[in-house]
Amino acid sequence: EADIYQTPRYLVIGTGKKITLECSQTMGHDKMYWYQQDPGMELHLIHYSYGVNSTEKGDLSSESTVSRIRTEHFPLTLESARPSHTSQYLCASSPWTSGGNEQFFGPGTRLTVL
Amino acid sequence: GDSVTQMEGPVTLSEEAFLTINCTYTATGYPSLFWYVQYPGEGLQLLLKATKADDKGSNKGFEATYRKETTSFHLEKGSVQVSDSAVYFCALSSGGGSNYKLTFGKGTLLTVNP
Repeated sequence: EADIYQTPRYLVIGTGKKITLECSQTMGHDKMYWYQQDPGMELHLIHYSYGVNSTEKGDLSSESTVSRIRTEHFPLTLESARPSHTSQYLCASSPWTSGGNEQFFGPGTRLTVL
Repeated sequence: GDSVTQMEGPVTLSEEAFLTINCTYTATGYPSLFWYVQYPGEGLQLLLKATKADDKGSNKGFEATYRKETTSFHLEKGSVQVSDSAVYFCALSSGGGSNYKLTFGKGTLLTVNP
C-alpha cells in the first residue's frame, strides 16, 4: 500500500497570494515528482528530485518552485498565484530499486485561482 | 525522444462488454511499460506493468502484453463493470539517462454504463 499524502486536497485562492502545496511520503523513497494535470487529463512533469537537496525542472516550464530538505517531504510553492495556475497538481514518489521506475501517486491537489 | 500514443477517447461501453485500449510507443533501448488508472477525484494507481518483451501484466481482470515487434502494450478486459469507469494512462520508462521519469500517453476516459 502506497503512503503518499497531499494537502490540501482542494484550494481556492485569490490572485497574487503565495501558496504551498504539501507532499509527504512515508516509504523512504528517494525520487519524488510533481505533475500538473490539465483539464484534458494530460500529465506534465514540472519538477523532480533524486534525493535531499536535489531538485530539477521537468518537461513543462512552471513558475512554481520546490524544495527537498527532508527525504519524505517535497513541497511546491507559488509565490504569486494567477488564474493560469488553476490546475490539478499530483505528487509521486519512486524508490531507486523499483523495477522499471514504477511511481506511486498521491491523491492530488485541485487548485483554483480566482 | 520517447513517446506514447494511446487510443483517444472517450470510450463508452455497456457492462460486460469487451474492452481494448490501444497503446503504442517509441523508445530507445528496452523500456518498461505500465498502465495506470485514475478514478474520479483521485491520483493515479498502477494497474499493471511489464518489464521485458513478451511479458504479460495482469491485475483485476485487466491484461496487457509487451509486444516488442509491434511496439505495443494494448490493455484488455473481457467483461467490464461500472466500477471500471476511469481514465487509463499508458506509460513507459526507458532507463538510461532518462530513467528518472515516466513518459505518459494522453489518457483514455472509459465510461461503463449499467
